[in-house]
Amino acid sequence: GQQVMQIPQYQHVQEGEDFTTYCNSSTTLSNIQWYKQRPGGHPVFLIQLVKSGEVKKQKRLTFQFGEAKKNSSLHITATQTTDVGTYFCAGNAGNNRKLIWGLGTSLAVNP
Amino acid sequence: GAVVSQHPSRVICKSGTSVKIECRSLDFQATTMFWYRQFPKKSLMLMATSNEGSKATYEQGVEKDKFLINHASLTLSTLTVTSAHPEDSSFYICSASGTGGSYNSPLHFGNGTRLTVT
Repeated sequence: GQQVMQIPQYQHVQEGEDFTTYCNSSTTLSNIQWYKQRPGGHPVFLIQLVKSGEVKKQKRLTFQFGEAKKNSSLHITATQTTDVGTYFCAGNAGNNRKLIWGLGTSLAVNP
Repeated sequence: GAVVSQHPSRVICKSGTSVKIECRSLDFQATTMFWYRQFPKKSLMLMATSNEGSKATYEQGVEKDKFLINHASLTLSTLTVTSAHPEDSSFYICSASGTGGSYNSPLHFGNGTRLTVT
């Protein structure tokens, strides 16, 4: 079946260090979405990428969508304690309404 | 932005009882809502897609008679966990698309309901 692999599963960093999480899909995606879930909270939409090779930035966060539309990455520059949480990628294959979710990357930031 | 309200946020019930969880889209109409289940430190597992005015579409392995979904209006979907058992204890989250159901619209999630069955 269609899968989205996400690595790493966990990441501990010192505050100020950079962080990257990667998603790889077994199938071509029409779009990739990124969500952040704080501990005890619910997923919050961060961004959506739809174009091959697209790069978007939100302050210290940089999102990329691969040329083949099968992989994506989220990079955080100079992490802060407020970045703590689990980051999920999710995408649609074709025009299927059902999102395929990655397993998430849990980020811990040591002050 | 689009707001989804979910109630209750926490519920503890005895084994064998039923629990109803409500999901409301407060400032937009949601023809489609999604119900997810999340185990501790795990990803989101789609349980069913709730369609306004029609039967819900359940994912493989999800018992439709146990997890009853009703989507009677464009702003309200309910999930009822019937005859709950301790293994039903989990975090249940609803979500809705903010632009009327386009397949690639971002999802807006409710705050979730933490169900504990004793």
